[in-house]
Amino acid sequence: TQLLEQSPQFLSIQEGENLTVYCNSSSVFSSLQWYRQEPGEGPVLLVTVVTGGEVKKLKRLTFQFGDARKDSSLHITAAQPGDTGLYLCAGDDNFNKFYFGSGTKLNVKP
Amino acid sequence: EAEVAQSPRYKITEKSQAVAFWCDPISGHATLYWYRQILGQGPELLVQFQDESVVDDSQLPKDRFSAERLKGVDSTLKIQPAELGDSAMYLCASSLSGKYNEQFFGPGTRLTVL
Repeated sequence: TQLLEQSPQFLSIQEGENLTVYCNSSSVFSSLQWYRQEPGEGPVLLVTVVTGGEVKKLKRLTFQFGDARKDSSLHITAAQPGDTGLYLCAGDDNFNKFYFGSGTKLNVKP
Repeated sequence: EAEVAQSPRYKITEKSQAVAFWCDPISGHATLYWYRQILGQGPELLVQFQDESVVDDSQLPKDRFSAERLKGVDSTLKIQPAELGDSAMYLCASSLSGKYNEQFFGPGTRLTVL
């Protein structure tokens, strides 16, 4: 079984603070996706990283794929209340099958 | 913008009743997934289709759950009979088959079993 572990599970911070969420596995993935999910809605794809060592930036969000393609991180700069949600990582095993982490629940207080 | 459609958005049913969920994937997406998600946790795969064929249904409780994608386009997930423990969000997603894949989700169906 290919497991993805996310940390931390919960994060409550003040507006303007920075944070990092981690997604780790002992398995190699062909690509890794990050999603944000709001209560009562489906996950929304934020980014896909495919190359070991790749860094992608999406405004205040920075995503990194580990060199060995086993881990990833999401860094948010100057968090805003609109960033609140459940952040999920998912690895693709190159056979169209995705393995999800357990999620990081982020709460940004104004 | 192309989206995955799901209906209904919310379903309340009583224990032992039958329920059905419908999903229409993004046009051209050959792979379709049904997931179950407990509040605050990551989605768990129930069944994966490639066109009309089941690729993986190892986590589908086959005594009460069934899924079909007859023409390789839209799909239906059924539960009969529903149990209290089936209360969850049921998510449908689709993806293209390619070198690397991106999965897109529908809005989900929130099921409550009383």
